[in-house]
Amino acid sequence: DQQVKQNSPSLSVQEGRISILNCDYTNSMFDYFLWYKKYPAEGPTFLISISSIKDKNEDGRFTVFLNKSAKHLSLHIVPSQPGDSAVYFCAASADAGNNRKLIWGLGTSLAVNP
Amino acid sequence: DAGVTQSPTHLIKTRGQQVTLRCSPKSGHDTVSWYQQALGQGPQFIFQYYEEEERQRGNFPDRFSGHQFPNYSSELNVNALLLGDSALYLCASSLWDRGRLGEQYFGPGTRLTVT
Repeated sequence: DQQVKQNSPSLSVQEGRISILNCDYTNSMFDYFLWYKKYPAEGPTFLISISSIKDKNEDGRFTVFLNKSAKHLSLHIVPSQPGDSAVYFCAASADAGNNRKLIWGLGTSLAVNP
Repeated sequence: DAGVTQSPTHLIKTRGQQVTLRCSPKSGHDTVSWYQQALGQGPQFIFQYYEEEERQRGNFPDRFSGHQFPNYSSELNVNALLLGDSALYLCASSLWDRGRLGEQYFGPGTRLTVT
């Protein structure tokens, strides 16, 4: 049962345009959401996060939007650069006392074309 | 400032053997988590160590065990290897409070192949 779903395995965008990566979740107990970026042969790199008490968090070219009623979050990259080409993972966690575990999606491969 | 380092980079083992993977956390971090990532999948949480104790554990059998040392480095041990244990094993380090939320720094991983 995939609690965090990234339904688009891949996305191709032109340099300078906006990249929008989507993520849906099923567990209403999730209260913290993160995006990670992964280059080949490297471990994932933490990108940006958002708490469930917010609906938007911005960090430079990266903005994450959270729609709790739709159980949906998205990562916007503006403007997209060729160096952004990587696999992007959405992840979520729920507060269960001291036992908070991170649940990951399967990833979306982003290709930014020059 | 060195990031998270893992050794070895690649490893080939035979079914039934035992393996030990090693991880040194990012400087200043006190918490280490281990993940297994199969091809085409997201990372699956194995366990997390803080103050030399296992604090959280994912749905992995007891064949998977670990240890954290006083210098915060960590080992992952897998006994009685199965073919299905072939995967990329990722170590992630963090500060305890931020790591609990999932903000972790990952190493490059150890690619384990079981034949």
